[in-house]
Amino acid sequence: AQSVSQHNHHVILSEAASLELGCNYSYGGTVNLFWYVQYPGQHLQLLLKYFSGDPLVKGIKGFEAEFIKSKFSFNLRKPSVQWSDTAEYFCAVMDMEGTYKYIFGTGTRLKVLA
Amino acid sequence: DAGVTQSPTHLIKTRGQQVTLRCSPKSGHDTVSWYQQALGQGPQFIFQYYEEEERQRGNFPDRFSGHQFPNYSSELNVNALLLGDSALYLCASSFFGGEGYEAFFGQGTRLTVV
Repeated sequence: AQSVSQHNHHVILSEAASLELGCNYSYGGTVNLFWYVQYPGQHLQLLLKYFSGDPLVKGIKGFEAEFIKSKFSFNLRKPSVQWSDTAEYFCAVMDMEGTYKYIFGTGTRLKVLA
Repeated sequence: DAGVTQSPTHLIKTRGQQVTLRCSPKSGHDTVSWYQQALGQGPQFIFQYYEEEERQRGNFPDRFSGHQFPNYSSELNVNALLLGDSALYLCASSFFGGEGYEAFFGQGTRLTVV
């Protein structure tokens, strides 16, 4: 069965620290990859997405992610976090060979200390 | 252009009751998917509707059913509610065959079963 693993469940950083959140998936076929953010009390917002092409994708708010096909990974990075980045982050994979449904990881709760 | 809209935003029901949640897709979208997000978890795929038919279904019991109308809007029905059905229910719409089959999420309906 397809699955998505987010290794860090809770992360606490100080402002200006660098961020890297891990995401690995298990599926051998073609996938689209996404990172979503959910601020407290708000709905899911798309941070960035990868469909094809350059494996390094840039998203909103200074976030970027790198798709490494050989490692089945799509890690999220940000060079310098801000207090306003405090939120929950979800990695998601879409199977592009039939179901077109999203499979989400369990999320990483990020807290940035001012 | 309105995005994905869901109603109601919050709902409290008693065990054993039935509930109906509603979703209007983003303009131009023809596919609606429903997800359940329990507290502290990532969204889980319930089912997907396209051309008024259930196209895909996740691992949810038959108590969960849905419908898609000719105008592409959708309903999620849950019968015989259990305490464990308390969650945020997300609707996502997409255009079948659109770029990356990317879906757009609504703000969700928070269902509390008491």
